[in-house]
Amino acid sequence: GDSVTQMEGPVTLSEEAFLTINCTYTATGYPSLFWYVQYPGEGLQLLLKATKADDKGSNKGFEATYRKETTSFHLEKGSVQVSDSAVYFCALRTAGNKLTFGGGTRVLVKP
Amino acid sequence: EADIYQTPRYLVIGTGKKITLECSQTMGHDKMYWYQQDPGMELHLIHYSYGVNSTEKGDLSSESTVSRIRTEHFPLTLESARPSHTSQYLCASSKDPFTGELFFGEGSRLTVL
Repeated sequence: GDSVTQMEGPVTLSEEAFLTINCTYTATGYPSLFWYVQYPGEGLQLLLKATKADDKGSNKGFEATYRKETTSFHLEKGSVQVSDSAVYFCALRTAGNKLTFGGGTRVLVKP
Repeated sequence: EADIYQTPRYLVIGTGKKITLECSQTMGHDKMYWYQQDPGMELHLIHYSYGVNSTEKGDLSSESTVSRIRTEHFPLTLESARPSHTSQYLCASSKDPFTGELFFGEGSRLTVL
């Protein structure tokens, strides 16, 4: 079945460091891909998305490119801030408009 | 901001009690979902609904039940809570079947003693 694998955390960084969170997927067809973020004590919110191969999603300085050849959707940010501390989830949309999530990656940014 | 609300945010109850977690959205979305989030953060779909009087079980088996009598309301019920039900429960909704974007509530954290 469809699945998402993302790197385990926690990832601890200093402010202004470069962040990469790896995400790979297994799916039939060409699913839409998403990154969601969960700040402490809150629900998930959509960070960015890509609906077809080579699409680049971007938001709040974060970027991810849909790579069909490597079945990947890695999340990157060039310069993180303390406010980026959160849990990040990679997800894909399966048939029936259901989302399958990866296990989440906790990111902690220190001043 | 998404208009989807969950109550209670936190609940601590004893074993054997019946509980209902409420979820309401004011966006007119047809599709609604319940996810269970374990302490390791992983999310599991336990129930979903594509509209009024439509409910389906998700990928993870759950002893909870749901109902969808009104578009805006999607409550989850546990008839007899057990410590194994301790978890965070997240409700979500979506409208557009093609974008797949979900709007999440802030979650209900349930602790069963």
